[in-house]
Amino acid sequence: EAGVVQSPRYKIIEKKQPVAFWCNPISGHNTLYWYLQNLGQGPELLIRYENEEAVDDSQLPKDRFSAERLKGVDSTLKIQPAELGDSAVYLCASSDRAVGTGELFFGEGSRLTVL
Amino acid sequence: GENVEQHPSTLSVQEGDSAVIKCTYSDSASNYFPWYKQELGKRPQLIIDIRSNVGEKKDQRIAVTLNKTAKHFSLHITETQPEDSAVYFCAARSGGNTPLVFGKGTRLSVIA
Repeated sequence: EAGVVQSPRYKIIEKKQPVAFWCNPISGHNTLYWYLQNLGQGPELLIRYENEEAVDDSQLPKDRFSAERLKGVDSTLKIQPAELGDSAVYLCASSDRAVGTGELFFGEGSRLTVL
Repeated sequence: GENVEQHPSTLSVQEGDSAVIKCTYSDSASNYFPWYKQELGKRPQLIIDIRSNVGEKKDQRIAVTLNKTAKHFSLHITETQPEDSAVYFCAARSGGNTPLVFGKGTRLSVIA
């Protein structure tokens, strides 16, 4: 079975440009997360979805970041406009709350470099 | 909200020695404590976890201990091997509806 799939793996853009990241969670996982991972740091939650509903987006900088999870499956995270400080790895994860502890399964991440 | 502190930030051990990484948490309601391993350029992967109703859990060379009173938990790796070299993250969660909060990570280097 395929794991969490993210694209693109790498993206280099000029500041003030828009960028979008896509995530396909593990089939059947109702919970989807976007985490931000700065260099040398642990993942920090940006937004959490239960099916198509954003249930925790308090850490998402809503002036420039937006996310959606149409039909409760794939999700897109967008940044517009990007700033230098947005350079980081954007990790998507999914879990199935119905299974035990709801282990998080991460994607490989999308590494963003803003020049 | 929950706050997780992790120490040390870097750790070097000789192959075959043991490694211990410690984490503290702030929310006494936290009841789930996983450990993730992240190799360079790879995704974080769960290596072991513990729930608040047990004090210790082992899986081959890896063990995790939990002290609820002191609000700290530790990862123990015995007989370290070069392939154990990676960044290890602890995390805590206070309930099924709350997200995991991660520590800042420990970069473990096992020297052959």
